[in-house]
Amino acid sequence: QVRLQESGPGLVKPSGALSLTCVVSGDSITSTRWWSWVRQPPGKGLEWIGQVFHRGDTYYNPSLKSRVTISVDTAKNEFSLRLNSVTAADTAMYYCARTTSSYGGNFDSWGQGTLVTVSS
Amino acid sequence: SYVLTQPPSVSVAPGQTAKISCGGYSIGSKTVQWYQQKPGQAPVLVIYEDRDRPSGIPERISGSNSGNTATLTISSVEAGDEADYYCQVWDSSDSDPHAVFGGGTKLTVL
Repeated sequence: QVRLQESGPGLVKPSGALSLTCVVSGDSITSTRWWSWVRQPPGKGLEWIGQVFHRGDTYYNPSLKSRVTISVDTAKNEFSLRLNSVTAADTAMYYCARTTSSYGGNFDSWGQGTLVTVSS
Repeated sequence: SYVLTQPPSVSVAPGQTAKISCGGYSIGSKTVQWYQQKPGQAPVLVIYEDRDRPSGIPERISGSNSGNTATLTISSVEAGDEADYYCQVWDSSDSDPHAVFGGGTKLTVL
């Protein structure tokens, strides 16, 4: 049974950088899966941020691409998200999820999510 | 960019059938996933590749996809089905592959 657990600061200052980590257990991050970040502003819908493969290949949401970096640490079986130049609009619940393939796949396992608030 | 359109809300009485639509240009040419999200919880995959159910998802939850509309159907609705439902596809028409979610539909069991 795969398990994903997000961690990171719950409060980030405007114009700063948001950094989160997702630890994966019950599956190897070097498997054939991809690993994604999805966010959900309070009271709103889901937004895909991007995904990474264990070799370092990445795909990003075009609307966030200029500010996002997703990386992987195979030794720790975890992957990370960095979002630069944050504003209040980046306040959201951030989920990590396992993705069955780079295109056409599904998000079959999710972390519980971590709330990040952007505020001074 | 590719847009998925869902009705904001659907209401149905217990025991009846709920249908939640997801509209998109030629969505029938894409594979559609559906996720259920209950308050305070992470989303759960309930349908993948248009109509397949993950292990543990009851048969009364089904999906279809044709033309410009995909549909999630929940038969014999129960109080426990009350949740937000999101459709999702992948698009690469104007950039690298990226996932797109619909705006979500709140299912209310009357």
